[in-house]
Amino acid sequence: DAGITQSPRHKVTETGTPVTLRCHQTENHRYMYWYRQDPGHGLRLIHYSYGVKDTDKGEVSDGYSVSRSKTEDFLLTLESATSSQTSVYFCAISGVTEQETQYFGPGTRLLVL
Amino acid sequence: AQTVTQSQPEMSVQEAETVTLSCTYDTSESDYYLFWYKQPPSRQMILVIRQEAYKQQNATENRFSVNFQKAAKSFSLKISDSQLGDAAMYFCAYRRSRDFGNEKLTFGTGTRLTIIP
Repeated sequence: DAGITQSPRHKVTETGTPVTLRCHQTENHRYMYWYRQDPGHGLRLIHYSYGVKDTDKGEVSDGYSVSRSKTEDFLLTLESATSSQTSVYFCAISGVTEQETQYFGPGTRLLVL
Repeated sequence: AQTVTQSQPEMSVQEAETVTLSCTYDTSESDYYLFWYKQPPSRQMILVIRQEAYKQQNATENRFSVNFQKAAKSFSLKISDSQLGDAAMYFCAYRRSRDFGNEKLTFGTGTRLTIIP
């Protein structure tokens, strides 16, 4: 299994509070991604990173920001959480020689009340 | 924009039998990759199988194989000798070739597979 951890694994928060999710990898892979999973939508890309300090938006990036100050860590921040951001969040990684395969972390279940 | 369609929200199969999950996709690209991921109740996303569009030969991984029909834009997953541990949600996914930069995975909405003992 790829060495990917996510923290926290579960979180309950209130509307309007900031939330930061962390993804940590031990594979030294260049690319890292944040997806969210909602019923009826599969997984959708929020943001991704193609190197330290290099990030770009995905298809559902509104209300989210990311940062990557080290190769191994990719942080997802909800500046002011809303109920529509209740979801399961997955981090994924891929390398430049892995034939485009993305490997996923265990997921974080976030509930915004 | 690329889209991936899984038209079977749920399927069931008897243990030890064979089942085929369907996936179709829409793209104008000629070079791309296709994947099947499995998500058991643990929620972990597990890669099942991968297919490169430039390869005519269908990918196989033990009891899992695909039927890749590029012209029809179809990518079905066949599970042979179904086992109880195969029960999960299965997602089909697409991504363009990395020649266009690092591209996202586009997922279908999933098929929930139940194994009947």
